[in-house]
Amino acid sequence: GENVEQHPSTLSVQEGDSAVIKCTYSDSASNYFPWYKQELGKRPQLIIDIRSNVGEKKDQRIAVTLNKTAKHFSLHITETQPEDSAVYFCAASGGGATNKLIFGTGTLLAVQP
Amino acid sequence: DGGITQSPKYLFRKEGQNVTLSCEQNLNHDAMYWYRQDPGQGLRLIYYSQIVNDFQKGDIAEGYSVSREKKESFPLTVTSAQKNPTAFYLCASSIGPGSQPQHFGDGTRLSIL
Repeated sequence: GENVEQHPSTLSVQEGDSAVIKCTYSDSASNYFPWYKQELGKRPQLIIDIRSNVGEKKDQRIAVTLNKTAKHFSLHITETQPEDSAVYFCAASGGGATNKLIFGTGTLLAVQP
Repeated sequence: DGGITQSPKYLFRKEGQNVTLSCEQNLNHDAMYWYRQDPGQGLRLIYYSQIVNDFQKGDIAEGYSVSREKKESFPLTVTSAQKNPTAFYLCASSIGPGSQPQHFGDGTRLSIL
């Protein structure tokens, strides 16, 4: 069935460094790829998304890249800050008329001051 | 403020009991979703509804039921058939079907007494 794999499961960086989280998906029909940030005990919040007709999207310190051929996409956070510490989830749409999202298992990012 | 409201925040279930989790949205979104989140795992789709009076099973629907009688409301019932109900339950909505951003509520944490 449809599957999204996310790596690494935990990531520790020093404040000011960059962080990269990678996801691969199995369904070649997937056409929408959101990234969510979830702080402990809180709701997931959409931080950036990308559609299959675009290779890269940037929003201040956050960027997402998509390689459709290889079926993988990545989240890049530059100049990390302690408030970036959270669990990050990638997701891929199931394609078609529905809006089913298949989520990765999450990456716990810890930014050390 | 527009948003998604889930209640209660914490819920305890006795053996053999059905419990209902509430999800209300005032975003005028057509589509609504229920996810289950377990530690170390991503979000898994329980049920989703693309329009009033219609809903479909997700990946882990067994032991759960839903209704969608009003556009604003999508309650989830955890039945006694769900043998491992302890989890964090998240409701989400999107403007419509297809690949659209999903916005989440604050979640309900369900535990067994």
